[in-house]
Amino acid sequence: KNQVEQSPQSLIILEGKNCTLQCNYTVSPFSNLRWYKQDTGRGPVSLTIMTFSENTKSNGRYTATLDADTKQSSLHITASQLSDSASYICVVHLTGANNLFFGTGTRLTVIP
Amino acid sequence: SQTIHQWPATLVQPVGSPLSLECTVEGTSNPNLYWYRQAAGRGLQLLFYSVGIGQISSEVPQNLSASRPQDRQFILSSKKLLLSDSGFYLCAWSGEGIGEQYFGPGTRLTVT
Repeated sequence: KNQVEQSPQSLIILEGKNCTLQCNYTVSPFSNLRWYKQDTGRGPVSLTIMTFSENTKSNGRYTATLDADTKQSSLHITASQLSDSASYICVVHLTGANNLFFGTGTRLTVIP
Repeated sequence: SQTIHQWPATLVQPVGSPLSLECTVEGTSNPNLYWYRQAAGRGLQLLFYSVGIGQISSEVPQNLSASRPQDRQFILSSKKLLLSDSGFYLCAWSGEGIGEQYFGPGTRLTVT
């Protein structure tokens, strides 16, 4: 069964600290993996997209890694800011089909 | 630049009433269009997608329907709402294939 699981479900960190969010997937065959940031009551916004052959991709303070062998991805946030408080969603695209598999997200709260 | 609009932003409807949510995209032609629902504490669920005018694919059987009367207009409808239809509805578009998806601001629907 194609699934995308994210951990932790929620996370609270102090402003300025780093954190890492995890995504494990069983989707196969795999085309690409995306990380989105969703502010409360808003639509998701893309942070990174990685294909099978990419191991890491950065977008400012956000760095995503991908291990296609173990089917794991992580999103590392450096020097967190209050505006990083949001849900972070991992999405995996199934090759050759119009199918995206969404994780349930990690709710990150950054406190001063 | 491309923009995506959804309205209304919030909606409270009684059980059994009809529904019409509208999504329009500007600045691109022949986009792929998507309707998603996000229930509280749950991941995004793809409801419908469209690769062209009049072409609608349904991902899950349900009380909802979708239509694409114009190239950049996508409508989500229901003849009779159920309590379980409550949620956050997101419209998204992408270019050819299933590349990067861009989400609208969403509609919060509460069925009472």
